[in-house]
Amino acid sequence: DAGITQSPRHKVTETGTPVTLRCHQTENHRYMYWYRQDPGHGLRLIHYSYGVKDTDKGEVSDGYSVSRSKTEDFLLTLESATSSQTSVYFCAISHADSGANVLTFGAGSRLTVL
Amino acid sequence: TQLLEQSPQFLSIQEGENLTVYCNSSSVFSSLQWYRQEPGEGPVLLVTVVTGGEVKKLKRLTFQFGDARKDSSLHITAAQPGDTGLYLCAGARGTGNQFYFGTGTSLTVIP
Repeated sequence: DAGITQSPRHKVTETGTPVTLRCHQTENHRYMYWYRQDPGHGLRLIHYSYGVKDTDKGEVSDGYSVSRSKTEDFLLTLESATSSQTSVYFCAISHADSGANVLTFGAGSRLTVL
Repeated sequence: TQLLEQSPQFLSIQEGENLTVYCNSSSVFSSLQWYRQEPGEGPVLLVTVVTGGEVKKLKRLTFQFGDARKDSSLHITAAQPGDTGLYLCAGARGTGNQFYFGTGTSLTVIP
């Protein structure tokens, strides 16, 4: 068990407000990821981190920023939320399994932007 | 454009039937994983395949990695209602820490 906790699990906000989602891990994994999941699109990578203060963009990074000031925490921020950012957000960590790297996911954060 | 294409997108079958889900790409992957997701939860790893042509079995589930490491299939024998869920394939590239997901296959097994 990778011990991944996401908070909040559910949030309803209004267009234009800032939102921060938190991902916390307990096992010191180097790589952490933020994905969003929408019907018909599967999981799409927003940003990922490969160490403290080391982050990079994914395929749908516009409108999102991230920060990783400690190994265990990876924050996703929507500076000014839009309705198109209504989605389920998943945090994940990468770890070795059966000769490859695989992902373990958190339980998800459901965000609704009105 | 999706790097990995999954088919079918939706599948509804009777208990006891067999089914195959496909995951195809024009790109080569260093490994490929299959995940299963239930409503309200995050995806959970089922299996990872690394070698071209590799076949892995997990009870009634059989996973195959294509010889060229560009595609994979998941075969379920004698499906049960507990198999219901969203099945996702994901390929790893680069350092092995860049993951690309298919669009998913939503499976419903009717008792």
